[in-house]
Amino acid sequence: EVQLVVSGGGLVQPGRSLRLSCAASGFTFEDYGIHWVRQAPGQGLEWVSGISWNSGTIGYADSVKGRFTLSRDNTNDSLSLHMNSLRPDDTAVYYCAKVGVRRLYYYYMDVWGEGTTVTVSS
Amino acid sequence: QAALTQPASVSGSPGQSITISCTGTRSDVGLYSLVSWYQQHPGRAPKLMIYEVTKRPSGVSNRFSGSKSGNTASLTISGLQAEDESHYYCSSYAGGTTVIFGGGTKLTVL
Repeated sequence: EVQLVVSGGGLVQPGRSLRLSCAASGFTFEDYGIHWVRQAPGQGLEWVSGISWNSGTIGYADSVKGRFTLSRDNTNDSLSLHMNSLRPDDTAVYYCAKVGVRRLYYYYMDVWGEGTTVTVSS
Repeated sequence: QAALTQPASVSGSPGQSITISCTGTRSDVGLYSLVSWYQQHPGRAPKLMIYEVTKRPSGVSNRFSGSKSGNTASLTISGLQAEDESHYYCSSYAGGTTVIFGGGTKLTVL
């Protein structure tokens, strides 16, 4: 079964850092791009960041550029979203999602993890 | 990048058909055939319903269909069923490394 398991969420103070992880199983991880999407309480989906299968292409939404860093470890079938200088408006459920086509940065997201909640508050 | 524009809500009776629009620009929806649609039930992760404008993943009912005209994509659900009540989001590639989503549409089955 293709699966993505997201972890690392929690309560963090403004200005602090947090690292989210996305662990993959059931598919050849090194062949697929992965994206992060977040959803603030009661709001819609917002694309956050994406990384291609070989880390050759990495993108960020303007709202997180310069504060978030996305990386992947194809040896361990995992990737990490390092979030620095967190702000209250970063509060959201964070999902990781797999790109549906091999060896492309983006086409569509066909498998989603269940998400982890990040709350930024003092 | 601005979000794609979707109606906040739509409704229909069981058995009817509804269409949800998703309006972008000639730099995203109008330029790329990489529009996808996701269904999200409360508290759950989104589920892919339509990709590449018109294609349906294995396991998704053929009551769901997608189309695009100019800068506007559409999701049509025919033969509405109670289980279709959910939130629906469109998404499009916007060039470079950017992906954008619509604001979401709440579908109510009356």
